[in-house]
Amino acid sequence: AQKVTQAQTEISVVEKEDVTLDCVYETRDTTYYLFWYKQPPSGELVFLIRRNSFDEQNEISGRYSWNFQKSTSSFNFTITASQVVDSAVYFCALSATVNAGNNRKLIWGLGTSLAVNP
Amino acid sequence: NAGVTQTPKFQVLKTGQSMTLQCAQDMNHEYMSWYRQDPGMGLRLIHYSVGAGITDQGEVPNGYNVSRSTTEDFPLRLLSAAPSQTSVYFCASSYSSYQGETQYFGPGTRLLVL
Repeated sequence: AQKVTQAQTEISVVEKEDVTLDCVYETRDTTYYLFWYKQPPSGELVFLIRRNSFDEQNEISGRYSWNFQKSTSSFNFTITASQVVDSAVYFCALSATVNAGNNRKLIWGLGTSLAVNP
Repeated sequence: NAGVTQTPKFQVLKTGQSMTLQCAQDMNHEYMSWYRQDPGMGLRLIHYSVGAGITDQGEVPNGYNVSRSTTEDFPLRLLSAAPSQTSVYFCASSYSSYQGETQYFGPGTRLLVL
């Protein structure tokens, strides 16, 4: 099965706390890509990061960091020193092939709603 | 660079009416797609296109038509609107159909069918 699970439906933290959003995936592909998107209250979907299955290096971008572990099929997202502007729904997605050709499909988790309170 | 644009931002329809949601991108992207987003269901792929003149169905294509006559435009047509099509619709594009390409999304169209 090709599947993405974001077990945390909602998380609420106080500003300046660190918070980790979990993403667990299942795929039969050996080559695949993982993505995180942010959907703020204004509704647009904003791309945050892409990671391919051959690159297990962690990535840091400012207060954001991502931990990719193939051994546990996880691609977790941590926000350090959270801010009110981080309040959004965060989606994890898996790009995997859907048939024998190169057609691929983005398989989405259901999202984690993060509320950062002042 | 406007990126991916969608019009209208919000639309109310009556059951049975037809309408077209517009999507355009100015990044010369080959791949374009339409998703709908519903509470508890996540994003679901309606139709996609790997290039001008080529379209294919996604996971929830019923009730929707698409065409791709140019690289830039990918309109989504609702032939006879139903309340079940009340949703937020997102258009997305990427440079190619390769699985590693990042998709960039438009701002969305919120549709209410009464």
